[in-house]
Parts: sequence; structure tokens; C-alpha cells
Amino acid sequence: GEDVEQSLFLSVREGDSSVINCTYTDSSSTYLYWYKQEPGAGLQLLTYIFSNMDMKQDQRLTVLLNKKDKHLSLRIADTQTGDSAIYFCAESIRKRYSSASKIIFGSGTRLSIRP
Amino acid sequence: ETGVTQSPTHLIKTRGQQVTLRCSSQSGHNTVSWYQQALGQGPQFIFQYYREEENGRGNFPPRFSGLQFPNYSSELNVNALELDDSALYLCASSSTEEYTYEQYFGPGTRLTVT
Repeated sequence: GEDVEQSLFLSVREGDSSVINCTYTDSSSTYLYWYKQEPGAGLQLLTYIFSNMDMKQDQRLTVLLNKKDKHLSLRIADTQTGDSAIYFCAESIRKRYSSASKIIFGSGTRLSIRP
Repeated sequence: ETGVTQSPTHLIKTRGQQVTLRCSSQSGHNTVSWYQQALGQGPQFIFQYYREEENGRGNFPPRFSGLQFPNYSSELNVNALELDDSALYLCASSSTEEYTYEQYFGPGTRLTVT
């Protein structure tokens, strides 16, 4: 099946690290993504990881992938007030022998920052 | 390089009416996907167009239909609007030449059905 699950809310203190977790079900996923959505805005791709990688680091962002458990996490170091947003975990599914692809999104984790 | 654009930004329609939403792909992209994002939810895949044909579809009824034009721009049409169709509709463009399958999203059209 195709399902992506993530917790709905996360609250962290400014300056701390935020860790957002996600589980997915489709083992054929090739790429996994983290998107950020601010109020009233569209989706911004933060980072992605190829399914044969374990970890990817990009400045303050660290993505960890446990393919065996189908678990993906996003760590934001030194969380700032500008990081307040909804974060979506997503997997890319592509039909074999086809150019067709789609992205399956989780319901999003609302990250709030407290002073 | 221009990004993905969508029009209109907001729209209010009455139940039973029909609506057309438009999307212009990012330059060089040949594939367009449409997503519906209801309030408080993640985006749900509606369908994808490639070479002017539907190239994959999610769990949406036939009253959701689309078109892709030779310049790769696209339309999403919804007939017989229902209250539950109220949502943010996102268009994403991508290229079959890119190995990451990355989809670039537009800002969305917010549709309200009353």
C-alpha cells in the first residue's frame, strides 16, 4: 500500500534541535522528500534522500533513513522562529517501465517554536 | 528560468458549478501533476499529464479531468462541484530527464465551494 504517517505536532525551544519523524509503507520508493509549507504558501522542497542512502546532511538539516524499518527523520539544528511551519514527509513512487510518477504525502507535522 | 505559476489564486464557486484551474510549467519541464490539499491535510495526488495524455491517476472521480497543451501548460477541470472540493489545488511540474523525479510546486489555487 501507499501510506505516509507522521506526528501532527512538535514544539521545541528556540536554539534546540527539532526532530520530525515519518514512516512510509511502499518499499519501492526511490526518493524520499521533506517539504516545508508556511501559512498561506505553497510547498517548498527542503531536501531529499535517495532510497539507497542512510543519511544526508545539508547545512542545518540532517535526514536519516532506515530503509529496513521504513523510517525517515528530519533533524533541524539550532531551530529558529523562521522554522515555524508545517513539514511534510513524502515518497516518490514511480511505475515500473513507465515515466509516470507521483508523490505520496504525509499529513504534515506542525512545528512551533517557543522562546 | 521561470517557476511554476497558477491562476487564479483564489476562486469561489457554488455547488454544482464547473471550474477550470490553470498551470504553467517551469521552463524545460514536460510533465505536470495536480494535487488537492484539503485544510489540515497533506496534498493528495489527482493525476499526472505527460505528452498531453493522462499518465497516472489517484483516487478521484471522473468529474476531475485535465488537459496538457503542447507548451506543457495544463488545466484542471472539475465538474459538478461539491462542498468537499473546497481545497488548495497545487500544480507541480517535473522533467522525465531529471533522475530525482523532483516536482516543483506552484503557489496553488484556493477553491471555495459554497
